Amino acid sequence: NAGVTQTPKFRVLKTGQSMTLLCAQDMNHEYMYWYRQDPGMGLRLIHYSVGEGTTAKGEFPDGYNVSRLKKQNFLLGLESAAPSQTSVYFCASSHTDESNQPQHFGDGTRLSIL
Amino acid sequence: AQRVTQPEKLLSVFKGAPVELKCNYSYSGSPELFWYVQYSRQRLQLLLRHISRESIKGFTADLNKGETSFHLKKPFAQEEDSAMYYCALSGTHMNSGYSTLTFGKGTMLLVSP
Repeated sequence: NAGVTQTPKFRVLKTGQSMTLLCAQDMNHEYMYWYRQDPGMGLRLIHYSVGEGTTAKGEFPDGYNVSRLKKQNFLLGLESAAPSQTSVYFCASSHTDESNQPQHFGDGTRLSIL
Repeated sequence: AQRVTQPEKLLSVFKGAPVELKCNYSYSGSPELFWYVQYSRQRLQLLLRHISRESIKGFTADLNKGETSFHLKKPFAQEEDSAMYYCALSGTHMNSGYSTLTFGKGTMLLVSP
């Protein structure tokens, strides 16, 4: 099992460009999450999904959209990239939202916006 | 609102010294707490969770509800323990009613030979 796979691993964008980050998991998990990680800020939840066809806003959703058309995939979109969105993006998944269930993380996508 | 505080950005110790990474939380309900670790060039992974009351790689953490703390401890640090450590709280998210994780800002542990 690959677990959680994120593509691409690196990307450089110009301000105003759009792009989509892909997260795929092969563990049949119901729940998926997108975080951003910035120095000194820890991981901050952008959006999450509790099942196929559902999405919900996390604490920092502005400037991002997501879709969960298939259970195994969770896409994070930037419609018009801004320098403030330069970050490392992590996807995670979990079997349920039961509080004792751990989240499994991908390797991250390092995104730079010029 | 739920909050996790890790007061130290960096903790530097020598090999064999005891280690304590501090974590305090704020949550109105019954907390579920975790420690995640990110080694250099590796993905974030679960280290331990309070509900299991387990010891992983020599690390332990006890939930102290009176002090609202969940400090991570190890009696004798090893060089391979050098990593970024995140304390996380599982709580009900205001938007949906589902549980999500709130992470602290992390503490970098450096263990020198």
